[in-house]
Amino acid sequence: EAGVTQSPTHLIKTRGQQATLRCSPISGHTSVYWYQQALGLGLQFLLWYDEGEERNRGNFPPRFSGRQFPNYSSELNVNALELEDSALYLCASSLDGQYGYTFGSGTRLTVV
Amino acid sequence: QKEVEQNSGPLSVPEGAIASLNCTYSDRGSQSFFWYRQYSGKSPELIMSIYSNGDKEDGRFTAQLNKASQYVSLLIRDSQPSDSATYLCAVNTGRRALTFGSGTRLQVQP
Repeated sequence: EAGVTQSPTHLIKTRGQQATLRCSPISGHTSVYWYQQALGLGLQFLLWYDEGEERNRGNFPPRFSGRQFPNYSSELNVNALELEDSALYLCASSLDGQYGYTFGSGTRLTVV
Repeated sequence: QKEVEQNSGPLSVPEGAIASLNCTYSDRGSQSFFWYRQYSGKSPELIMSIYSNGDKEDGRFTAQLNKASQYVSLLIRDSQPSDSATYLCAVNTGRRALTFGSGTRLQVQP
């Protein structure tokens, strides 16, 4: 069974540009979660999508947005990139949160 | 008060010793509890889940849950240098979304 896949693995952008990160959940999982992990810090919850709808978002500005497609894959968009957006962005999927999440390997975004 | 609290560490133990990692949570309605291991620069990996009071053992790992005290712990027996990582406690509060602690960094000294 394929795990959670994220692309790209690494992304380098210039301040002010937009970044698009992609995630494909485990087959059968309907929920996708996005987290930001800045260097040396804990997981910061960004967004939760389930059945195509945004169910919850963390304490991030509106320039962080995303969507979930009918096949349950998801996209995270970060507009007007700032230097402090440099981080590891992790996607996770679950069938139901009571069984835990499975994480992808992440996208490392560097803003220069 | 944070929803899930962990001591950030580092917790340093000698090789072969028992490492004890602790976590407290604030929501009494929490239903399920998880421990993730995260190596530096890598994504978190689920290593234990526990749903009812008591102990759950899996190899060298034992998870302990005490809902009355709102306390979850992870014991690692015969600690190895390869166990050196950050351990994240996560709690499901019934809303299908997990809340993570900030993690405890474990260092196993050879």
